[in-house]
Amino acid sequence: GAGVSQTPSNKVTEKGKYVELRCDPISGHTALYWYRQSLGQGPEFLIYFQGTGAADDSGLPNDRFFAVRPEGSVSTLKIQRTERGDSAVYLCASSPEARNTEAFFGQGTRLTVV
Amino acid sequence: DAKTTQPTSMDCAEGRAANLPCNHSTISGNEYVYWYRQIHSQGPQYIIHGLKNNETNEMASLIITEDRKSSTLILPHATLRDTAVYYCIVRVAYNAGNMLTFGGGTRLMVKP
Repeated sequence: GAGVSQTPSNKVTEKGKYVELRCDPISGHTALYWYRQSLGQGPEFLIYFQGTGAADDSGLPNDRFFAVRPEGSVSTLKIQRTERGDSAVYLCASSPEARNTEAFFGQGTRLTVV
Repeated sequence: DAKTTQPTSMDCAEGRAANLPCNHSTISGNEYVYWYRQIHSQGPQYIIHGLKNNETNEMASLIITEDRKSSTLILPHATLRDTAVYYCIVRVAYNAGNMLTFGGGTRLMVKP
């Protein structure tokens, strides 16, 4: 069956540019999460959506990062004025509801800022 | 969520049992132990979780000590495809957000 899909799989952008990363969760999953993973480290939580609303955005590093989920399904992570330090793998996960024990992760988008 | 301590890396011979330890000495009574793994270039994958009783599923077994301060994930017959980073996570189950706090994990190398 279809899992969590993330596009693009790789993105190279120049410093200062704006990027959008897309996540298609598993159909029917109401909870959606974004994580960021730097090389050699475990994933770090960024933001969590329950339905259309961002229930917890405490992991977003600064105001250059923003995420939306307007219809409660697809989510877009937006990064303004990218910096080289933003280079990482951005992972999306979904679960049937926030209280579910298992999160299903996508393959991630590898973002490289040059 | 309680902090966990795992060895940085481990090796295991193919076909043998892989035993991955995790220390969580500050675990609270309402916190569960979760295990995820991440194969190279893939997202993390849920393996198993437990509160205080030992648990087993098709992927692995989880052994939690009686005082709950440590646990061991057991892959009974490791294969080359089990080579991955294994994360032990302690968290309150069914919290409002269900987000996961990953540490550095254990890099398991299964060798032929």
